[in-house]
Amino acid sequence: GAVVSQHPSRVICKSGTSVKIECRSLDFQATTMFWYRQFPKKSLMLMATSNEGSKATYEQGVEKDKFLINHASLTLSTLTVTSAHPEDSSFYICSAREGTRTKEFFGPGTRLTVL
Amino acid sequence: QQQVKQSPQSLIVQKGGISIINCAYENTAFDYFPWYQQFPGKGPALLIAIRPDVSEKKEGRFTISFNKSAKQFSLHIMDSQPGDSATYFCAASYGKLTFGQGTILTVHP
Repeated sequence: GAVVSQHPSRVICKSGTSVKIECRSLDFQATTMFWYRQFPKKSLMLMATSNEGSKATYEQGVEKDKFLINHASLTLSTLTVTSAHPEDSSFYICSAREGTRTKEFFGPGTRLTVL
Repeated sequence: QQQVKQSPQSLIVQKGGISIINCAYENTAFDYFPWYQQFPGKGPALLIAIRPDVSEKKEGRFTISFNKSAKQFSLHIMDSQPGDSATYFCAASYGKLTFGQGTILTVHP
């Protein structure tokens, strides 16, 4: 199956700093990538959809200036959490889809802890 | 209309038994219904998926049953094993995924 990687797997930062999370599709070209947020023992909530070379589309209630998404190539998307605060602590998961295919493959997730 | 309702919230099954998880949706525009398995601290992994023009799909021990008129679909895990213990999410998609609330499955040896 298709492989999606995320880096870092775990990050701890101080309040007020910015954190960048990378999502890569290793063996396919991801025309569409998605970013999700998951709280402990809860479901995945879609934050935004990004298409290569276009601006990301954010879900209602997600601050686009807080969560900056860049999808500069067909294999890489980045999520930057700007001026992070403790309430931003969560499990962030990306996923990727190839072309018009429906299957969506998920990365292993990044655990963000903001002190 | 975007909501996907999943039940039960948790499920305990003996080894060798059948695990059944149910989901219901409202939006008839959904055209793809996957099930994901997630272990603690890991990303979800696609198990099996179905489209609304099919009533059943089987892959190994996993079967999806789909009832289009009732807007319901379910996952059956046959011969459940302790290694199947995980959280299972149903989802529905029309361009982007909407997830159910998740079911924590525990399979006792």
